[in-house]
Amino acid sequence: TQLLEQSPQFLSIQEGENLTVYCNSSSVFSSLQWYRQEPGEGPVLLVTVVTGGEVKKLKRLTFQFGDARKDSSLHITAAQPGDTGLYLCAGIEGTYKYIFGTGTRLKVLA
Amino acid sequence: GAVVSQHPSRVICKSGTSVKIECRSLDFQATTMFWYRQFPKQSLMLMATSNEGSKATYEQGVEKDKFLINHASLTLSTLTVTSAHPEDSSFYICSARTRGRIGVTDTQYFGPGTRLTVL
Repeated sequence: TQLLEQSPQFLSIQEGENLTVYCNSSSVFSSLQWYRQEPGEGPVLLVTVVTGGEVKKLKRLTFQFGDARKDSSLHITAAQPGDTGLYLCAGIEGTYKYIFGTGTRLKVLA
Repeated sequence: GAVVSQHPSRVICKSGTSVKIECRSLDFQATTMFWYRQFPKQSLMLMATSNEGSKATYEQGVEKDKFLINHASLTLSTLTVTSAHPEDSSFYICSARTRGRIGVTDTQYFGPGTRLTVL
């Protein structure tokens, strides 16, 4: 079974700080997605990265796919309390099988 | 955007009873639906892949006789937890995959989840 390890597992920071979340695997994925999940709700898609080395920006969030398509990172600039949540990466095998990462729980304090 | 609903959102049942959870794609046809399980503060674990009109494919370690999946139409899949026990208590999430061109990563839309508590 493939594993996608995320680090850190937990992160508690002050509003305005920057942070980076990592998603690592020994396997190659055809693409990778990042999700954010609020308690008691389903995950919501943030971004899909497909090409090795690809960088995508979504306001204060920057996503990067590793050159070898085995890892990814999510960087948040000037974190806000509204960024609080569980961040999940998901590697995609083929066109539709998703392998979710272990998750990073972020708490941004006002 | 595409919407996936789940019903019920919460269910509490007694040990030994069966519980059915519905997953519907509201504004698109889903050739494939997926069922995930999520324990508190953990990630999503794929339980099974459900294709319309055929038997579900279960992941290793998931009991197919305990978690019955029916994908009777292009907009509805059901998960029935049979003879539920307290250890089955979890957050169950479905997702639906849209029809896509061959070779292109499809998009999965996730439902809001169903919290099952077995007493």
